[in-house]
Amino acid sequence: GEQVEQRPPHLSVREGDSAVITCTYTDPNSYYFFWYKQEPGASLQLLMKVFSSTEINEGQGFTVLLNKKDKRLSLNLTAAHPGDSAAYFCAVSNTGNYKYVFGAGTRLKVIA
Amino acid sequence: EAAVTQSPRNKVAVTGGKVTLSCNQTNNHNNMYWYRQDTGHGLRLIHYSYGAGSTEKGDIPDGYKASRPSQENFSLILELATPSQTSVYFCASGDVRHANSDYTFGSGTRLLVI
Repeated sequence: GEQVEQRPPHLSVREGDSAVITCTYTDPNSYYFFWYKQEPGASLQLLMKVFSSTEINEGQGFTVLLNKKDKRLSLNLTAAHPGDSAAYFCAVSNTGNYKYVFGAGTRLKVIA
Repeated sequence: EAAVTQSPRNKVAVTGGKVTLSCNQTNNHNNMYWYRQDTGHGLRLIHYSYGAGSTEKGDIPDGYKASRPSQENFSLILELATPSQTSVYFCASGDVRHANSDYTFGSGTRLLVI
């Protein structure tokens, strides 16, 4: 079945710096990709969803890149601020089963 | 507003006891899911359901049962709780009609088995 590896497990950056989180997946049939943010003690909130036909998506303060050839998905926070401190999870979905496979998560700390 | 509500928020159980975690959704989603979250593992799928009366095994079903008596409700049952089941449990719902739809997560249940 699908395997999703997320790196790094922990990341500490200074305010204003960029932060990059990467997920690699194994199933070439995976088509839908999601990034979730989880603040301490809270539930998961959707940041962005990306489909196989989309390579770059931009949100508020971040960019998601999908490289289908390398089976790699990345989240780039362009100018991190303390409010970005949280755990981030990627999730990958195959068209056929509507089940996510999650990465293990990245704990991001932004230092003011 | 559509939501997923879990109860209880916190639970302390005794080893060997029975624990039931409840989840209610008002999204009218067909699919519902139970995950557990442990440091270093992300979220792992325990059981899921395609609709009322349906339960399916996820990736780590051992020691857990599930029940979906209605579209709105999905329960996770630990018949004989063990300390290794100490974790944070999340319920989610999803719209099976749209494969690109994201999940709506509940707020989580923190379970401590002593």
